Amino acid sequence: SQKIEQNSEALNIQEGKTATLTCNYTNYSPAYLQWYRQDPGRGPVFLLLIRENEKEKRKERLKVTFDTTLKQSLFHITASQPADSATYLCALDLNSGYSTLTFGKGTMLLVSP
Amino acid sequence: GAGVSQTPSNKVTEKGKYVELRCDPISGHTALYWYRQSLGQGPEFLIYFQGTGAADDSGLPNDRFFAVRPEGSVSTLKIQRTERGDSAVYLCASSSDPSGEQFFGPGTRLTVL
Repeated sequence: SQKIEQNSEALNIQEGKTATLTCNYTNYSPAYLQWYRQDPGRGPVFLLLIRENEKEKRKERLKVTFDTTLKQSLFHITASQPADSATYLCALDLNSGYSTLTFGKGTMLLVSP
Repeated sequence: GAGVSQTPSNKVTEKGKYVELRCDPISGHTALYWYRQSLGQGPEFLIYFQGTGAADDSGLPNDRFFAVRPEGSVSTLKIQRTERGDSAVYLCASSSDPSGEQFFGPGTRLTVL
């Protein structure tokens, strides 16, 4: 069956360090992958989209990689700040021609000052 | 401009009752999605509208769940004969591009007693 895996344990890092979050998937052939941020009590907020023919995408302090051979995406936040503390969700399209997303469970990131 | 809004923000009902959850998407967004999120889980796809029609309702768990979007803007998710297992946060999202980023509302927290 299709599965998306994100680290279920919270990631604790110190301010200024680089946070790296992992998203692994099986039995999918997604056309693209998206990363969202979710704060408690709020809806997810879109961060980045990377397509299957792209290896890497950057936006300010954020970087996403997409390895379709390993079936893995890595999400990096450089120079992390306490305000980056949130749950980060990866989402894949079902390759069905429109954006019906399947989300992972998310990884909580805690950045301490 | 205004983002996606959802009403009510909280809904408490008794088992067996009927509930309606409303979503106001971003003006001009033709794509509208409903998701359900349980504690500690990522959003789970329910239904996708393109314009007035349901393009994909494969995520609706059973025939107690139904959604409409009669004029291609506001959508209502309807749940009949609610069960305790329906308790979750119901999220709505809209998009101008079915293969792009989705803009989420704050969600409606449904509690079935």
